[in-house]
Amino acid sequence: GAVVSQHPSWVICKSGTSVKIECRSLDFQATTMFWYRQFPKQSLMLMATSNEGSKATYEQGVEKDKFLINHASLTLSTLTVTSAHPEDSSFYICSASDLANYGYTFGSGTRLTVV
Amino acid sequence: TQLLEQSPQFLSIQEGENLTVYCNSSSVFSSLQWYRQEPGEGPVLLVTVVTGGEVKKLKRLTFQFGDARKDSSLHITAAQPGDTGLYLCAGETAGGGNKLTFGTGTQLKVEL
Repeated sequence: GAVVSQHPSWVICKSGTSVKIECRSLDFQATTMFWYRQFPKQSLMLMATSNEGSKATYEQGVEKDKFLINHASLTLSTLTVTSAHPEDSSFYICSASDLANYGYTFGSGTRLTVV
Repeated sequence: TQLLEQSPQFLSIQEGENLTVYCNSSSVFSSLQWYRQEPGEGPVLLVTVVTGGEVKKLKRLTFQFGDARKDSSLHITAAQPGDTGLYLCAGETAGGGNKLTFGTGTQLKVEL
C-alpha cells in the first residue's frame, strides 16, 4: 500500500526561529500534496495544496509568507514555518494523493511546540 | 465554504453498545470518506463511498452515503475499547481540486 513519511514527528523550537517539516511519498508519485493543521481534539484544517513544480495554493486566512511550501519533486513536499511563535504550536499533517491508485494517504504528523 | 457537521461531538459508551455517528452538509460531494485517528498520529482511511444511497460494511462498521450525497452515517455494532478514537468524515468535491473537506470530528471512547 501507499506510505507517506513525515519528519520530524515532533520538534521544539524557540520563538523567532524557522522549522522545516518534510513529507515524502515512499512508493508512489504524488502530483498533489496537502498540508493540514490540527488543534487538540479538533478536526483537520486544510492550510494549502501543493502541486509539484508550481506554487502552492493557500486557503483563506493562511499566511503564505509564514508557511512556506515547496514541492520540488513528485515525492517530496516541505512546509517551513518561518519566524515561529507560540501560537504556531500545533499538530501539522501532510497528505499525498495518487487518485488513480491509492487515493489520499496521510503522514503520521508533526507536533510543533514553540517556546 | 463547505461545512461538514458531525454529531455527536463526543461519545462515551460501554463495551458492547451500538452507536451511530452522523456527518451532514448542505453541499453535494462526489465522494465521502471516513477516517479514524488516534492521538499523535495521522488519520487512517476506513472507507470511501461514492454513490448516493450506497451502504458499505466493514466487519462491525456500517457506512451509508445519503441519496443526495450530502450526508453520511457510520454505525458501529458491539463497540470495543479498540474502537476508541477520533472519527472524521471528509468530503471530496468534483472539480474542487481534489481537496478534502473534513468534518468537525467525533471523539469516541469505549470503556470496559
